[in-house]
Amino acid sequence: QLQLQESGPGLVKPSETLSLTCSVSGGSISSESYYWAWIRQPPGKGLEWIGSIYYSGSTYYNPSLKSRVTISVDTSKNQFSLKVSSVAATDTAVYYCARLDRFLHYLDYWGQGTLVTVSS
Amino acid sequence: DIHVTQSPSTLSASVGDRVTITCRASQSIGSWLAWYQQKPGKAPKLLIYKASNLEYGVPSRFSGSGSGTEFTLTISSLQPDDFATYYCQQYSSYPTWTFGQGTKVEIK
Repeated sequence: QLQLQESGPGLVKPSETLSLTCSVSGGSISSESYYWAWIRQPPGKGLEWIGSIYYSGSTYYNPSLKSRVTISVDTSKNQFSLKVSSVAATDTAVYYCARLDRFLHYLDYWGQGTLVTVSS
Repeated sequence: DIHVTQSPSTLSASVGDRVTITCRASQSIGSWLAWYQQKPGKAPKLLIYKASNLEYGVPSRFSGSGSGTEFTLTISSLQPDDFATYYCQQYSSYPTWTFGQGTKVEIK
């Protein structure tokens, strides 16, 4: 059974960089059939796709966040990571990692999510 | 950019009701639409993919239809476990993936 687990600081100061890692177990991140995605959800609001990465390192970002977001993959550790620079209070959200089917474009496995609060 | 508009934002219904939620895309997205159910404090759960395909293990009272720019999620007979928030998600070229704003199904 595939499992994804987000990890990283729960509190980040304004203007600093948010960094999260998603550890994948029960399957290989190097599968040719999937992208790996980050999605976030501000408290009480809807879902926002942040970006996706293929095991080769190809990345696809939400245009509205592209200037501040970097997603990377470490196939040796079966992990992928998210960095969001210059954070503000509006970046406070639950951050989810998920597996995205490359051919049918749906998210079938999700992590439990981790709340990141931006506050001084 | 392709925008997705989901409606209604809130829906009040009773157990046994037939419920329909709509997603409209600003341009044709073929059949590249998925539906998710989310309960408070939990990650979203996939219900439907490619507009009308039921995910394995999802009850058959859930169904999806549509193509092009208009899509619907139907729950044929609402059950107590179905009170939740539902999101559509579209895929378009670039590639990008976008979620609808969500529909909260509440007890009437």
